[in-house]
Amino acid sequence: KNEVEQSPQNLTAQEGEFITINCSYSVGISALHWLQQHPGGGIVSLFMLSSGKKKHGRLIATINIQEKHSSLHITASHPRDSAVYICAVRSEETSGSRLTFGEGTQLTVNP
Amino acid sequence: NAGVTQTPKFQVLKTGQSMTLQCAQDMNHNSMYWYRQDPGMGLRLIYYSASEGTTDKGEVPNGYNVSRLNKREFSLRLESAAPSQTSVYFCASSDFFGGLSGGYTFGSGTRLTVV
Repeated sequence: KNEVEQSPQNLTAQEGEFITINCSYSVGISALHWLQQHPGGGIVSLFMLSSGKKKHGRLIATINIQEKHSSLHITASHPRDSAVYICAVRSEETSGSRLTFGEGTQLTVNP
Repeated sequence: NAGVTQTPKFQVLKTGQSMTLQCAQDMNHNSMYWYRQDPGMGLRLIYYSASEGTTDKGEVPNGYNVSRLNKREFSLRLESAAPSQTSVYFCASSDFFGGLSGGYTFGSGTRLTVV
């Protein structure tokens, strides 16, 4: 079993829909990251969370440390949101800010 | 623009050839990393350098070597390329100040094919 699991693996939505991507992890963590990878391959960091909730534009990320679960929400989705969304955790036991990654969720938003 | 610069972007090697992937960051980050990304798998850590002068193995270090040349530069070397090393390689850097800073930045990737 992977330390970081994401669901769903693939998600197709219509423009304007509210989207939720989930991430569950099995280790104690000091931080959780949400990343976005566009079709061109580049990876961009969206959020780093250690508790609670963060919002940036139409993106909202939440984390429940007790339940070892995080969600990424996209409101009013748009075709330009189509990308792979990756959850990554920094274990309490690792040094050097190492991350363990989920396999990613492929999101496609149709016009 | 500040960030992580990786070269080359694309490379085709023959089995047994060697090459070095270069990575440089200009954000004064302490830690640098090399990851590989394969279809159906999450990014996997090859090697990392927690700070200048140190390097450590990650999950999948076999067949690779690294050099932390200075604080800015962290190179990845394939001494004798194998088809199993066909992958997309990402360099990344980070610096955490008391756990408060999220600064984790990725390069644009190198698509390597070994034939």
